Amino acid sequence: ETGVTQSPTHLIKTRGQQVTLRCSSQSGHNTVSWYQQALGQGPQFIFQYYREEENGRGNFPPRFSGLQFPNYSSELNVNALELDDSALYLCASSRTSGGAEADTQYFGPGTRLTVL
Amino acid sequence: AQTVTQSQPEMSVQEAETVTLSCTYDTSENNYYLFWYKQPPSRQMILVIRQEAYKQQNATENRFSVNFQKAAKSFSLKISDSQLGDTAMYFCAFMEYGNKLVFGAGTILRVKS
Repeated sequence: ETGVTQSPTHLIKTRGQQVTLRCSSQSGHNTVSWYQQALGQGPQFIFQYYREEENGRGNFPPRFSGLQFPNYSSELNVNALELDDSALYLCASSRTSGGAEADTQYFGPGTRLTVL
Repeated sequence: AQTVTQSQPEMSVQEAETVTLSCTYDTSENNYYLFWYKQPPSRQMILVIRQEAYKQQNATENRFSVNFQKAAKSFSLKISDSQLGDTAMYFCAFMEYGNKLVFGAGTILRVKS
């Protein structure tokens, strides 16, 4: 069984640029959630994708956007990068079955983004 | 809004001993889920244990167990027979049915030989 993978591992950008981060979900999972983790803090929910549509969003501006593809992989796009966007970006996948049970989220290794 | 509080920024324990990490949360919901995740210095977030609020029995996973007190909104993690590999940041997290995890600020656990 393949776990959650993310690319790239590290990324350095300058303020004002745009960045795309990628995530492949674990085998059998159909839902992807993205989190931002600033240094020394707990992760903050950005948004979740299910059936190729956004399914919940945290307190992040519209310049944070995403996509989910038919194979359940996902992208996180951030436009007009700001210095405060420097963080570890975590992707988590889960299997939404439509039942009453919430599904456990399994995390990828993350992408470390540095904005200069 | 739901909040999760971990009041211990750092903890230390001797190898083979037992340690308990504290977590409290705030919610008006009756059905929800609680998790402990571990994040080693390598940074990958790893699931340690999960508890469903509707279950009265405390969850256990090998050396890891929880003390879930629903009325007190408390969810502590006990690690028995601590090992050097348990050294990590531990996050308590809350989820209602559906989408987002709400994390606490984390507790750094250091296991000493």
